[in-house]
Formats: sequence, structure tokens, C-alpha cells
Amino acid sequence: GAVVSQHPSWVICKSGTSVKIECRSLDFQATTMFWYRQFPKQSLMLMATSNEGSKATYEQGVEKDKFLINHASLTLSTLTVTSAHPEDSSFYICSASLRGRGTEAFFGQGTRLTVV
Amino acid sequence: SQQGEEDPQALSIQEGENATMNCSYKTSINNLQWYRQNSGRGLVHLILIRSNEREKHSGRLRVTLDTSKKSSSLLITASRAADTASYFCATDGTGTYKYIFGTGTRLKVLA
Repeated sequence: GAVVSQHPSWVICKSGTSVKIECRSLDFQATTMFWYRQFPKQSLMLMATSNEGSKATYEQGVEKDKFLINHASLTLSTLTVTSAHPEDSSFYICSASLRGRGTEAFFGQGTRLTVV
Repeated sequence: SQQGEEDPQALSIQEGENATMNCSYKTSINNLQWYRQNSGRGLVHLILIRSNEREKHSGRLRVTLDTSKKSSSLLITASRAADTASYFCATDGTGTYKYIFGTGTRLKVLA
């Protein structure tokens, strides 16, 4: 089946530094990937849609300059949290859809970011 | 923004009982999916139901979809302690491929 790998699974960083999270589709091409954020005991909130070879589309209220998304290839999207602050501590999770088929979404295992 | 709302927000039942969770959404959809999430972990895909389907089964899981009411239900029969988790519905609106999640139901199954 379709596998999405996310790396790292957890990261601790100092306030003010930047953190990059990778999302890879291992056995399929994903023209579109999605990034979600989840705070404790809350649901997943869609942050942005990442399109291969073009700019990401951000949801309302998400700062595009703070959450940089790059989708350089059909198998890799990255999310960089710039100048991280403690309030950015959260669970970040990506998903990908099969090329040309917007049916089932395949999720990575998530990245727990803690900013100290 | 949240597409769907789930109820109940929390549910506590005894092992062996059935658990029913409901999801309501706002706009027309292509598909609706149910996911399980254990505390602090990633998502586990349970079932996908398409907008032209009314019911699907997978093991102890039964999902129904009523597009006229914009609602879906997830039934877990003969629940087990291992079913303790948060359950989310997610929908993709027609014309889009992005999934928006509901608020989730926290299920606790007591042994």
C-alpha cells in the first residue's frame, strides 16, 4: 500500500531557531501533500496544501512566512517552522494523495515539535 | 476551520458494549473517512466511504453515510479496551482533494 514517511518523529529545539520536517511518499508520486497541526486534545487543523512545483496554498490564519513549505519533487514536501517559539510546540502531520486520484489520504506518522 | 463536528465529544463504555460516534459536516463531499488516533500517536485509517455509498463494513466497524443529512456514523461492535482512542471523521469537499477533520470523539473502553 501507499506509505508516507515523516521525519523526524520528534524534535526539541530552542526558541528562535528553525526546524525542518520532511514528508516523503515512499512508493507513489504525490502531486499534492497536506500539512496539519494538532494541539493537545484537539483535532487536526489543516495548515496548507503543498503542490509540487508551485507555491503552497495556506489556510486562513496560517502565517506563510513562518511556516515555509517546499514541494520540490513528486515524493518530498518539507515544512520549515522558522524562528520557532514555545507556542509553535505541536504535533505536525502530513498527508499525501495518489497522483490524479483524490480519494484516500495517506498520513505520515507525525512529528512532535517541542520548542523550549 | 473545522468541517465537521462529532458527537459525543467523549464516550466511556464497558468492554463488550457497542460504541456509536456521529459526524456531521457542512458542505457537499466526495468521500468521508474515519481515522483512529491513539494518544500522542499518528493516525490509523479505518474506513473510506464514498458519497454514493450508504454503508460499509470492516470487521467490527460499520460506517453509514447520509448525504441528505450531511452526517455519518461509526459503530464499533463488541468493543475492547484496545479500542480506547480518539476517533475522527474527515471529509473532502467536492472539487477539492484536501481533507478537513471533525472535532473528534474520545472513546474510553473500560475493561
